[in-house]
Amino acid sequence: LAKTTQPISMDSYEGQEVNITCSHNNIATNDYITWYQQFPSQGPRFIIQGYKTKVTNEVASLFIPADRKSSTLSLPRVSLSDTAVYYCLVGNFNKFYFGSGTKLNVKP
Amino acid sequence: DTAVSQTPKYLVTQMGNDKSIKCEQNLGHDTMYWYKQDSKKFLKIMFSYNNKELIINETVPNRFSPKSPDKAHLNLHINSLELGDSAVYFCASSQVTREQFFGPGTRLTVL
Repeated sequence: LAKTTQPISMDSYEGQEVNITCSHNNIATNDYITWYQQFPSQGPRFIIQGYKTKVTNEVASLFIPADRKSSTLSLPRVSLSDTAVYYCLVGNFNKFYFGSGTKLNVKP
Repeated sequence: DTAVSQTPKYLVTQMGNDKSIKCEQNLGHDTMYWYKQDSKKFLKIMFSYNNKELIINETVPNRFSPKSPDKAHLNLHINSLELGDSAVYFCASSQVTREQFFGPGTRLTVL
């Protein structure tokens, strides 16, 4: 089972690009990489999912190197409302593991 | 329109009691999950059901028993509640390996 490692916390300022990296050295061939955002007193919310290379949607980009042993969530031009905990999840249909989360604090 | 709903939102009870948390999803998903999030914010998968069949059953006490009457519902029953059961419990659903949609959570406090 691919365990994940993320930084405990990060600070940023409004308007900056934020990159959060997740390490998953034991990722399996059929594992996907998914990122979630969680605000206080709410359930996690899906941000982006990928398998390899780069994926981009309207809120974020996900960079996955060829060896897939890590992944980087990129949030462009963060705002105060992006202050939240970001979780990396690695796994597949019946086996997956949530990381411990990275608390992102965006300052004015 | 609520995608994944849980009831109740808050649950305060005494040690030794039995309680249930209900979860319903109206997304037509075939897989549902129960998670426990402790005070340190670790999200731990407890159970997963696919088409009413148990597919993930992590190491949790036998006091926890999931019940899936149909694809849209996955309830969690807890017997003989203990202090350590205090946490936020999240229900989620997904379509196989695609993204999971989480409910608002049930904050359980055992006194």
